[in-house]
Order: sequence, then structure tokens, then C-alpha cells
Amino acid sequence: GESVGLHLPTLSVQEGDNSIINCAYSNSASDYFIWYKQESGKGPQFIIDIRSNMDKRQGQRVTVLLNKTVKHLSLQIAATQPGDSAVYFCAEMGNQGGKLIFGQGTELSVKP
Amino acid sequence: DAGVIQSPRHEVTEMGQEVTLRCKPISGHNSLFWYRQTMMRGLELLIYFNNNVPIDDSGMPEDRFSAKMPNASFSTLKIQPSEPRDSAVYFCASSFGGREKLFFGSGTQLSVL
Repeated sequence: GESVGLHLPTLSVQEGDNSIINCAYSNSASDYFIWYKQESGKGPQFIIDIRSNMDKRQGQRVTVLLNKTVKHLSLQIAATQPGDSAVYFCAEMGNQGGKLIFGQGTELSVKP
Repeated sequence: DAGVIQSPRHEVTEMGQEVTLRCKPISGHNSLFWYRQTMMRGLELLIYFNNNVPIDDSGMPEDRFSAKMPNASFSTLKIQPSEPRDSAVYFCASSFGGREKLFFGSGTQLSVL
């Protein structure tokens, strides 16, 4: 039969608005989390990371929130710009290290 | 630093041919990872090395796939023989210590006809 590709969740926002991208992770033993941005034709680019001993971490225009109780991670982008349009992946790493497992990704589209 | 360098950038080959993808990690990084990205399966970890030693190859799809890291500055991913279902973007990434953020190369777009 014909194969069907993944349809990524899509978030569409107006330029200047704040964006929130959510991610549910699977492994309760994961203790390190990273958000990556992937633009078309490029490799994933590191945005921000957080370890499980923290609930929140801020970078430049970005904030990551971690809720270990419900295994939920979110990325907040302030004052979203057209250059933020990309696919955003969350990734988790277990306490044994090494293996970084990626989520399916969310496509962010910024309307001018 | 030039970042993680992958070659070739694009590879088009015919079914049954051998394909070799190459990666130069960031100098000083001691962990190296090979990922495959497709629309169907997203980003999948194929294998990773720590200090040039393969640590986990459970993601390698089958015996047609093999990876080597002969020294700290070079790794290869080989597919022999290649099949159309191997068509994907293959990424190499490196990190320091294995529990830090990974830096990715630009990928190799592989098309097997």
C-alpha cells in the first residue's frame, strides 16, 4: 500500500506574539532535556537545555519549563519573529547518558 | 571551529550499490552519534560511539548497515547493499562527555533509486 508520512503538529502565530510549543516525554528516568530547532535543509540546532533538578530555565527570548510530575516539557518563544519559523524538537536523555531520543517535532509558522 | 562536517552533502545511487557516509566531529568531542531522519519515523538514533568505541548500536536497522570510528576525528556509516527504503537524511552529531548537548552536522541526503 501507499505509505503515509508523518503529519507534524503545526503552530501558527502572528509575528510579535509569544509562542508555546509543548512536548510530552516518555521516560520517567530521563534527567536531561534539550530543545532543538531545525530549519529546512539543515541539521538540528541547539536552542536550550534543562536538567531534571530544575523547573525552568531562561535564555535569550526562550524559556523552557519542565514538569516532571506529568512528564511535560514546553518551549516558550517571546516576540516570535519570521526567522523562528522551523520545526522544533524536544529530546530526552536518560540518567545513563549517551542516548538522546527525539520527539516527533512541531512545525512553527510565523505570519508577518 | 567549523562544527561537525559531513560528506557528501547529497548522494544518489542505485539499489544494490555500496554507500559510505563520512563525518568529522568537533575537535575535542569524545562522543559521536549517527541519526537517520525520515518523514515516517522522524529522527532515529542508529549508533553512538564514546571514545571511538561503539556503545549502543541497537538502532542500526539491519546487517547491511555498519559504522566505524577508527580515530577521534573520523567516522563512517556504510550501507551495503543499499535499498530504496534507505533513502533518508543521515545526520552525524558529536558531544563532549556523552551527557551534554549534541551538535549536528548538515546531514547527507541519500536517495537510493
